[in-house]
Amino acid sequence: DAKTTQPPSMDCAEGRAANLPCNHSTISGNEYVYWYRQIHSQGPQYIIHGLKNNETNEMASLIITEDRKSSTLILPHATLRDTAVYYCIVRVKPNAGKSTFGDGTTLTVKP
Amino acid sequence: NAGVTQTPKFRVLKTGQSMTLLCAQDMNHEYMYWYRQDPGMGLRLIHYSVGEGTTAKGEVPDGYNVSRLKKQNFLLGLESAAPSQTSVYFCASSYSTTGSSYEQYFGPGTRLTVT
Repeated sequence: DAKTTQPPSMDCAEGRAANLPCNHSTISGNEYVYWYRQIHSQGPQYIIHGLKNNETNEMASLIITEDRKSSTLILPHATLRDTAVYYCIVRVKPNAGKSTFGDGTTLTVKP
Repeated sequence: NAGVTQTPKFRVLKTGQSMTLLCAQDMNHEYMYWYRQDPGMGLRLIHYSVGEGTTAKGEVPDGYNVSRLKKQNFLLGLESAAPSQTSVYFCASSYSTTGSSYEQYFGPGTRLTVT
């Protein structure tokens, strides 16, 4: 599976949009982009995934560039409860154990 | 639906002791995984299983063994614990043949300290 690069940390003001970037320049044509987050020491939680089209659900939006080499997770109105570590992963769907989570981006939402 | 559960939640072992961590899921998922997470780091895959009776090695399998005798359970064993195995262990499951979702669902974790 392709590796990803994320900034180690980001800050965001409460109520503003949080835009979390992810670089996956070696992504293959059959690999999906998945985003998870881990709040404090809980188990990671699935957020969203996509192949090449932009996706939106009740939690977030995912914007994937046309060349698929990078993506951005958007939390439209960040709250204090969105403070977490966000992981960007690329893998073939369905994954058979090759998920590499990396170190993720620590997002801190500030009042 | 309990989702993914892990037992125990906490455990302290002495070097050389053995133990088994139990993961159970009630979502009829085919795939199950064991990860470890050291302080300030991401998750690293230890072992995984793509179905009952099958297991495979992940990134960091040394010192661990696993078994998947029943579809809903995935056991992680430490035969001779070492201080380097002090970590938080997460179990996850994914992929139901009757559904279309492939995302992983994680358990709450087991905090293991080896002294």
